[in-house]
Amino acid sequence: DIQMTQSPSTLSASVGDRVTITCRASQSISSWLAWYQQKPGKAPNLLIYKASSLERGVPSRFSGSGSGTEYTLSISSLQPDDVATYYCQQYNHYPLSFGGGTKVEIK
Amino acid sequence: EVQLVESGGGLVQPGGSLRLSCAASGFTVSSNYMSWVRQAPGKGLEWVSVIYSAGTTHYTDSVKDRFTISRDNSKNTLFLQMSSLRAEDTAIYYCARGLHDYGDYFDVFDIWGQGTMVTVSS
Repeated sequence: DIQMTQSPSTLSASVGDRVTITCRASQSISSWLAWYQQKPGKAPNLLIYKASSLERGVPSRFSGSGSGTEYTLSISSLQPDDVATYYCQQYNHYPLSFGGGTKVEIK
Repeated sequence: EVQLVESGGGLVQPGGSLRLSCAASGFTVSSNYMSWVRQAPGKGLEWVSVIYSAGTTHYTDSVKDRFTISRDNSKNTLFLQMSSLRAEDTAIYYCARGLHDYGDYFDVFDIWGQGTMVTVSS
């Protein structure tokens, strides 16, 4: 099974800051990686797929990059509405697996 | 409007059974990859099962031989039959649609339901 490790687990930044979250896979996943945003009490929302493809309707301040085993999600200018927990997910092999999540807060 | 609505959650004793339903609108369940994803209270996301448009299914190891994913095409509804339930199955269960992009299907979830809570406790 592929293990997904996210860091940091919690992140506190100021409005307008650039924020980066890292996701590492236990083996190569060939860019078959997605990122989701989940706000409290809500279902997750797809942000990025295929490591760097922005889902329709997602603000352009979100971007993804990476290859092989290491991937990043960046928010170019943190907004109050971005307060949420972010998850990565690999879809290269079954069982599909998610990272443990990164909680993003406003400082 | 494209939408998924889950139902069927509740309180069940260890060893019991429960069937979750996920009614779709705005698209056809049988034409898409459809998954169940769960989230234990205060924890992260865990993929549970998928059914392809062709009917092929996959499960995470911890639910194999206990859970069965299926669909009713006439009702445009996805199901998860859960048996031999354990305390560790306690979670919000979400159904989710797999992404359809440029003619290909992917296990990336672009539409989610609101979730239904399953509590396994005596």
